[in-house]
Amino acid sequence: GAVVSQHPSRVICKSGTSVKIECRSLDFQATTMFWYRQFPKQSLMLMATSNEGSKATYEQGVEKDKFLINHASLTLSTLTVTSAHPEDSSFYICSARAGGGITDTQYFGPGTRLTVL
Amino acid sequence: EDQVTQSPEALRLQEGESSSLNCSYTVSGLRGLFWYRQDPGKGPEFLFTLYSAGEEKEKERLKATLTKKESFLHITAPKPEDSATYLCAVRYGNKLVFGAGTILRVKS
Repeated sequence: GAVVSQHPSRVICKSGTSVKIECRSLDFQATTMFWYRQFPKQSLMLMATSNEGSKATYEQGVEKDKFLINHASLTLSTLTVTSAHPEDSSFYICSARAGGGITDTQYFGPGTRLTVL
Repeated sequence: EDQVTQSPEALRLQEGESSSLNCSYTVSGLRGLFWYRQDPGKGPEFLFTLYSAGEEKEKERLKATLTKKESFLHITAPKPEDSATYLCAVRYGNKLVFGAGTILRVKS
Protein backbone atom coordinates (compact mmCIF):
# COMPACT_ATOMS: atom_id res chain seq x y z
CA GLY A 1 0.00 0.00 0.00
CA ALA A 2 0.81 3.75 0.01
CA VAL A 3 2.06 3.98 -3.56
CA VAL A 4 2.73 7.33 -5.21
CA SER A 5 3.38 7.67 -8.92
CA GLN A 6 4.84 10.49 -10.98
CA HIS A 7 4.66 11.18 -14.67
CA PRO A 8 6.76 11.67 -16.65
CA SER A 9 9.86 10.10 -15.15
CA ARG A 10 12.11 12.09 -17.48
CA VAL A 11 11.52 15.13 -19.62
CA ILE A 12 13.77 17.19 -21.84
CA CYS A 13 12.49 20.51 -23.08
CA LYS A 14 13.69 23.66 -24.75
CA SER A 15 14.25 26.86 -22.84
CA GLY A 16 11.08 28.95 -22.63
CA THR A 17 8.62 26.09 -22.75
CA SER A 18 6.39 24.87 -19.93
CA VAL A 19 6.44 21.41 -18.43
CA LYS A 20 3.74 19.71 -16.37
CA ILE A 21 4.51 16.95 -13.87
CA GLU A 22 1.75 14.80 -12.38
CA CYS A 23 1.77 13.21 -8.96
CA ARG A 24 -0.82 10.59 -8.04
CA SER A 25 -1.55 8.66 -4.87
CA LEU A 26 -2.64 5.29 -6.23
CA ASP A 27 -4.15 3.51 -3.25
CA PHE A 28 -5.00 6.21 -0.75
CA GLN A 29 -6.45 9.67 -0.61
CA ALA A 30 -4.09 12.51 0.17
CA THR A 31 -5.47 15.82 1.33
CA THR A 32 -1.92 17.14 1.39
CA MET A 33 0.82 16.65 -1.16
CA PHE A 34 4.30 18.13 -1.21
CA TRP A 35 6.71 19.08 -3.96
CA TYR A 36 10.46 18.85 -3.47
CA ARG A 37 13.48 19.63 -5.55
CA GLN A 38 16.77 17.78 -5.28
CA PHE A 39 20.09 18.83 -6.78
CA PRO A 40 22.87 16.28 -7.35
CA LYS A 41 24.36 14.97 -4.13
CA GLN A 42 22.11 17.19 -2.05
CA SER A 43 19.13 16.50 0.13
CA LEU A 44 15.50 17.28 -0.60
CA MET A 45 14.37 20.89 -0.47
CA LEU A 46 10.68 21.52 0.05
CA MET A 47 9.23 23.80 -2.60
CA ALA A 48 5.57 23.91 -1.69
CA THR A 49 2.75 22.26 0.19
CA SER A 50 -0.38 21.50 -1.77
CA ASN A 51 -3.78 21.07 -0.15
CA GLU A 52 -6.72 19.68 -2.06
CA GLY A 53 -9.08 22.39 -3.13
CA SER A 54 -7.00 25.32 -1.94
CA LYS A 55 -3.99 27.34 -2.97
CA ALA A 56 -0.54 25.92 -2.46
CA THR A 57 1.77 27.28 0.20
CA TYR A 58 5.21 28.05 -1.18
CA GLU A 59 8.48 28.03 0.71
CA GLN A 60 10.53 31.17 0.95
CA GLY A 61 12.44 31.86 -2.25
CA VAL A 62 10.23 29.69 -4.48
CA GLU A 63 8.53 31.67 -7.25
CA LYS A 64 4.86 30.80 -7.22
CA ASP A 65 4.32 32.24 -10.69
CA LYS A 66 7.03 30.01 -12.08
CA PHE A 67 6.10 26.80 -10.29
CA LEU A 68 2.33 26.46 -10.59
CA ILE A 69 0.76 23.85 -8.38
CA ASN A 70 -2.74 22.47 -8.68
CA HIS A 71 -4.31 19.92 -6.34
CA ALA A 72 -7.65 19.32 -7.94
CA SER A 73 -8.52 16.00 -6.33
CA LEU A 74 -7.58 13.85 -3.36
CA THR A 75 -5.32 11.71 -5.55
CA LEU A 76 -3.75 14.15 -8.01
CA SER A 77 -1.45 17.14 -7.76
CA THR A 78 0.37 18.76 -10.66
CA LEU A 79 3.45 20.95 -10.84
CA THR A 80 3.90 23.11 -13.92
CA VAL A 81 7.27 24.69 -14.51
CA THR A 82 6.50 27.73 -16.64
CA SER A 83 8.97 29.27 -19.08
CA ALA A 84 11.61 26.79 -18.06
CA HIS A 85 15.28 27.74 -18.17
CA PRO A 86 18.42 25.64 -17.81
CA GLU A 87 18.72 26.57 -14.13
CA ASP A 88 15.37 24.83 -13.56
CA SER A 89 16.95 21.53 -14.52
CA SER A 90 16.69 19.30 -11.49
CA PHE A 91 15.11 16.22 -9.96
CA TYR A 92 11.56 16.98 -8.82
CA ILE A 93 9.93 14.67 -6.31
CA CYS A 94 6.42 14.73 -4.93
CA SER A 95 5.08 13.14 -1.80
CA ALA A 96 1.62 12.45 -0.48
CA ARG A 97 0.65 12.29 3.15
CA ALA A 98 -1.28 9.23 4.24
CA GLY A 99 -3.21 9.06 7.45
CA GLY A 100 -3.94 11.97 9.65
CA GLY A 101 -2.84 13.67 12.79
CA ILE A 102 0.28 12.66 14.60
CA THR A 103 0.72 9.29 12.90
CA ASP A 104 0.70 10.44 9.30
CA THR A 105 3.54 9.54 6.96
CA GLN A 106 4.74 11.05 3.71
CA TYR A 107 5.20 8.61 0.85
CA PHE A 108 7.30 9.70 -2.08
CA GLY A 109 6.95 9.31 -5.80
CA PRO A 110 9.82 8.04 -7.97
CA GLY A 111 10.78 11.52 -9.11
CA THR A 112 10.94 13.38 -12.43
CA ARG A 113 14.22 14.34 -14.01
CA LEU A 114 13.81 17.65 -15.83
CA THR A 115 16.47 18.79 -18.29
CA VAL A 116 16.06 22.20 -19.91
CA LEU A 117 18.22 22.81 -22.95
CA GLU B 1 16.75 27.30 14.45
CA ASP B 2 15.43 23.80 13.92
CA GLN B 3 18.09 21.55 12.38
CA VAL B 4 18.66 17.97 11.35
CA THR B 5 22.24 16.74 11.13
CA GLN B 6 23.30 13.33 9.86
CA SER B 7 26.65 11.63 10.32
CA PRO B 8 28.78 10.31 8.85
CA GLU B 9 28.37 11.82 5.38
CA ALA B 10 29.56 8.58 3.84
CA LEU B 11 30.21 5.11 5.18
CA ARG B 12 31.90 2.17 3.54
CA LEU B 13 31.38 -1.26 5.05
CA GLN B 14 32.36 -4.77 4.19
CA GLU B 15 29.51 -7.21 3.80
CA GLY B 16 28.59 -8.43 7.26
CA GLU B 17 30.22 -5.51 9.07
CA SER B 18 27.57 -3.96 11.32
CA SER B 19 27.46 -0.22 12.00
CA SER B 20 25.20 2.70 12.89
CA LEU B 21 24.14 5.94 11.26
CA ASN B 22 23.33 8.98 13.37
CA CYS B 23 20.69 11.67 13.06
CA SER B 24 20.69 14.49 15.59
CA TYR B 25 18.01 17.14 15.75
CA THR B 26 17.10 20.31 17.54
CA VAL B 27 13.38 20.86 17.89
CA SER B 28 10.90 21.85 20.49
CA GLY B 29 8.19 19.26 20.66
CA LEU B 30 9.13 16.40 18.33
CA ARG B 31 6.20 15.29 16.20
CA GLY B 32 7.88 12.44 14.43
CA LEU B 33 11.28 11.39 13.13
CA PHE B 34 11.37 9.55 9.84
CA TRP B 35 13.97 7.37 8.14
CA TYR B 36 13.98 6.92 4.38
CA ARG B 37 16.19 5.05 1.95
CA GLN B 38 16.97 6.62 -1.42
CA ASP B 39 18.55 4.84 -4.36
CA PRO B 40 20.23 6.89 -7.11
CA GLY B 41 17.71 8.51 -9.45
CA LYS B 42 14.72 7.43 -7.37
CA GLY B 43 12.42 8.90 -4.76
CA PRO B 44 12.88 8.16 -1.06
CA GLU B 45 11.45 4.90 0.23
CA PHE B 46 9.84 5.02 3.66
CA LEU B 47 11.50 2.88 6.33
CA PHE B 48 10.46 3.94 9.84
CA THR B 49 8.68 6.55 11.91
CA LEU B 50 9.59 7.14 15.55
CA TYR B 51 7.58 9.38 17.86
CA SER B 52 8.92 9.16 21.39
CA ALA B 53 12.23 8.65 23.19
CA GLY B 54 12.94 5.00 23.82
CA GLU B 55 10.96 3.83 20.82
CA GLU B 56 12.54 1.22 18.53
CA LYS B 57 11.49 -0.16 15.15
CA GLU B 58 12.99 -3.04 13.16
CA LYS B 59 12.83 -4.20 9.58
CA GLU B 60 15.06 -6.98 8.32
CA ARG B 61 18.67 -5.86 8.94
CA LEU B 62 17.68 -2.35 10.02
CA LYS B 63 16.78 -1.11 13.47
CA ALA B 64 15.94 2.49 14.31
CA THR B 65 16.10 3.94 17.80
CA LEU B 66 15.22 7.33 19.23
CA THR B 67 16.42 9.42 22.15
CA LYS B 68 15.47 12.96 23.09
CA LYS B 69 18.13 14.45 20.83
CA GLU B 70 19.08 11.87 18.26
CA SER B 71 18.17 8.75 16.36
CA PHE B 72 20.32 5.86 15.25
CA LEU B 73 19.83 3.55 12.32
CA HIS B 74 21.63 0.32 13.12
CA ILE B 75 22.53 -1.94 10.23
CA THR B 76 23.29 -5.53 11.20
CA ALA B 77 25.31 -7.75 8.87
CA PRO B 78 24.72 -5.51 5.85
CA LYS B 79 24.61 -6.82 2.30
CA PRO B 80 25.59 -5.03 -0.93
CA GLU B 81 21.91 -4.41 -1.67
CA ASP B 82 21.74 -2.22 1.44
CA SER B 83 23.91 0.33 -0.40
CA ALA B 84 21.91 3.56 -0.71
CA THR B 85 21.58 7.01 0.77
CA TYR B 86 19.76 6.99 4.09
CA LEU B 87 17.81 10.12 4.89
CA CYS B 88 16.54 11.26 8.23
CA ALA B 89 13.72 13.79 8.48
CA VAL B 90 11.97 15.49 11.34
CA ARG B 91 8.45 16.78 11.21
CA TYR B 92 8.11 20.45 12.01
CA GLY B 93 4.49 21.45 11.93
CA ASN B 94 3.12 20.40 8.58
CA LYS B 95 6.51 19.81 6.94
CA LEU B 96 9.44 17.42 6.91
CA VAL B 97 12.92 18.86 7.25
CA PHE B 98 15.59 16.53 5.91
CA GLY B 99 19.15 15.97 6.90
CA ALA B 100 21.83 15.82 4.22
CA GLY B 101 21.86 12.02 4.28
CA THR B 102 24.44 9.29 4.77
CA ILE B 103 25.73 7.51 1.68
CA LEU B 104 26.25 3.85 2.55
CA ARG B 105 28.35 1.55 0.39
CA VAL B 106 28.56 -2.13 1.27
CA LYS B 107 31.23 -4.15 -0.50
CA SER B 108 31.04 -7.87 -0.99
